[in-house]
Amino acid sequence: DAKTTQPTSMDCAEGRAANLPCNHSTISGNEYVYWYRQIHSQGPQYIIHGLKNNETNEMASLIITEDRKSSTLILPHATLRDTAVYYCIVRVSILGGTSYGKLTFGQGTILTVHP
Amino acid sequence: GAVVSQHPSRVICKSGTSVKIECRSLDFQATTMFWYRQFPKQSLMLMATSNEGSKATYEQGVEKDKFLINHASLTLSTLTVTSAHPEDSSFYICSARPRGFSGANVLTFGAGSRLTVL
Repeated sequence: DAKTTQPTSMDCAEGRAANLPCNHSTISGNEYVYWYRQIHSQGPQYIIHGLKNNETNEMASLIITEDRKSSTLILPHATLRDTAVYYCIVRVSILGGTSYGKLTFGQGTILTVHP
Repeated sequence: GAVVSQHPSRVICKSGTSVKIECRSLDFQATTMFWYRQFPKQSLMLMATSNEGSKATYEQGVEKDKFLINHASLTLSTLTVTSAHPEDSSFYICSARPRGFSGANVLTFGAGSRLTVL
């Protein structure tokens, strides 16, 4: 799996956009970028994923650079409930096989949203 | 949406006893479920892959005789920590991928079960 690098922590004011970066300079052509988050003492929650095009859903937007070596997760209007650890994970997307479902969670970025 | 339920959410037990944690997919069937473990201030680590109707696949370094996994139906996997010791105290989280969903690594996680062994 491609290694990812994320800042240890970030702060964001409530109501403002939170932009969480992730570097994955060794990403392969068939690897996707996934974002999960974990609110304190809960299980992780899937946010969004993409291959090379920018993606948007009801939770967030994912911007992937043209060379795919980095990406940014954008929470457009952060709320206090978005305070969590955010994980950027790079994986191939193949059902079955030995790597299926084996998500490697790094240390992630601790996002603190303050009033 | 897909929901994974874990029970119990918290359990305290004495050293040497066994503890069973249940993981249920409430509104979908899951032929495969995944068990993760998270120690305080650390990230999640995959312990094992639970396969319906067959033996679980354990990650390197995880004792299969200590962490018994049973996946008897398409909606239920159980993790039994046998002869638990204080070092087994951890946050255990299960996950599953809903059938028919397009993302191979889009998993739904349970809320986790916090085990404290005295």
